[in-house]
Amino acid sequence: AQKITQTQPGMFVQEKEAVTLDCTYDTSDPSYGLFWYKQPSSGEMIFLIYQGSYDQQNATEGRYSLNFQKARKSANLVISASQLGDSAMYFCAMREHYSGGSNYKLTFGKGTLLTVNP
Amino acid sequence: DSGVTQTPKHLITATGQRVTLRCSPRSGDLSVYWYQQSLDQGLQFLIHYYNGEERAKGNILERFSAQQFPDLHSELNLSSLELGDSALYFCASSVDRGSTGELFFGEGSRLTVL
Repeated sequence: AQKITQTQPGMFVQEKEAVTLDCTYDTSDPSYGLFWYKQPSSGEMIFLIYQGSYDQQNATEGRYSLNFQKARKSANLVISASQLGDSAMYFCAMREHYSGGSNYKLTFGKGTLLTVNP
Repeated sequence: DSGVTQTPKHLITATGQRVTLRCSPRSGDLSVYWYQQSLDQGLQFLIHYYNGEERAKGNILERFSAQQFPDLHSELNLSSLELGDSALYFCASSVDRGSTGELFFGEGSRLTVL
């Protein structure tokens, strides 16, 4: 069974500074995908960034980057130049295949609540 | 806007009652997923439908059932409701083949059981 671990229940960062949110995973599948989602207080789930297990380079999307360390099974999210609007819950998730490989689900970690201070 | 529509957005009901949550996936997406988010359990996978067929079940109670209709919309039925069923229920859809596996989430249906 796959597992996603986010060890930081809460994090604080000053506006304009960078912050790293930790995520470790456990899988025996050679092919997998890792995702980060943001959930603001309004409740919706917003996709941020994706990293495939075979991707050679770390994923980047604007101010978001994923520090992917395959040997350590970690996929930390780095947010640069934090903004007040970044205050939200952040979830790490992993794609898990079943039923012969063509179908899958996402398994989520418990999340990290990020607070950006002015 | 993810393109996934969920109704109702909010629902308040009493213990023992039955409710139906509805989801319309993004145009063209064949897969529909249901997740339950509660404070103590986080985001829990409930069930996955692909083109009308059930593909996987997660931590879904026997009091809960779901189906996906020929027009691909899905319904999650929750019966004999208990206080502990109060949660935010998400529907998500995906492109499936050729994609990264990203799920597109609806805004959720917040269920309160009194």
